[in-house]
Amino acid sequence: DIVMTQTPLSSPVTLGQPASISCRSSQSLVHFNGNTYLSWLHQRPGQPPRLLIYKISNRFSGVPDRFSGSGAGTDFTLRIRRVEAEDVGVYYCMQATQFPHTFGQGTKLEIK
Amino acid sequence: EVQLVQSGAEVKKPGESLKISCKGSGYNFSDYWIAWVRQMPGKGLEWMGIIYPGDSDTRSSPSFQGQVIVSADKSITTAYLHWSSLKASDTAIYYCARLQWELLYLDYWGQGTLVTVSS
Repeated sequence: DIVMTQTPLSSPVTLGQPASISCRSSQSLVHFNGNTYLSWLHQRPGQPPRLLIYKISNRFSGVPDRFSGSGAGTDFTLRIRRVEAEDVGVYYCMQATQFPHTFGQGTKLEIK
Repeated sequence: EVQLVQSGAEVKKPGESLKISCKGSGYNFSDYWIAWVRQMPGKGLEWMGIIYPGDSDTRSSPSFQGQVIVSADKSITTAYLHWSSLKASDTAIYYCARLQWELLYLDYWGQGTLVTVSS
């Protein structure tokens, strides 16, 4: 299985300041078709996860443009340009290049 | 509007069987894979497997193979997760989600079903 490792596991941030989360995979996420199936999800307490970013850098419908994704191969980053109160919760990266699909362990974003 | 509505919370004893459901609406249920994801108390997300309701083709994580069965009935647009003999370690929230096959992301999620297994 591909292991997804996120850092940090916890990130206290000040409202209005930027935040970034890293995700590293144990092997390249480039599919034989040339695409990289790396997505980011956000889970608020007591709610199901929701999709933010797919294929490294594509924002899902309705996701604010303060969220952006980047990376290639085995190293990926989610950035929040200016953190808002509603951004608290846990962020997960997920790879779907190879079965079984796998999630990172999650990064908890908290407000200082 | 795409919706996935899951069955309600369950409390079971070890050794009992259970089937939970996930009903899709607002789209052609047969044409999209459904994924199941486990979240144990206070823990992260674990990908269990997927099923294509159109022909019931499945892909499962080795971690869950033999532990749980994934099925679907396209005639009633519902996917299922079935245990024949529950263990205390099956206590978790189980989510279903729709998988966009071409772009391989989980775009719509059910609200989750809490399964509690306790003697």
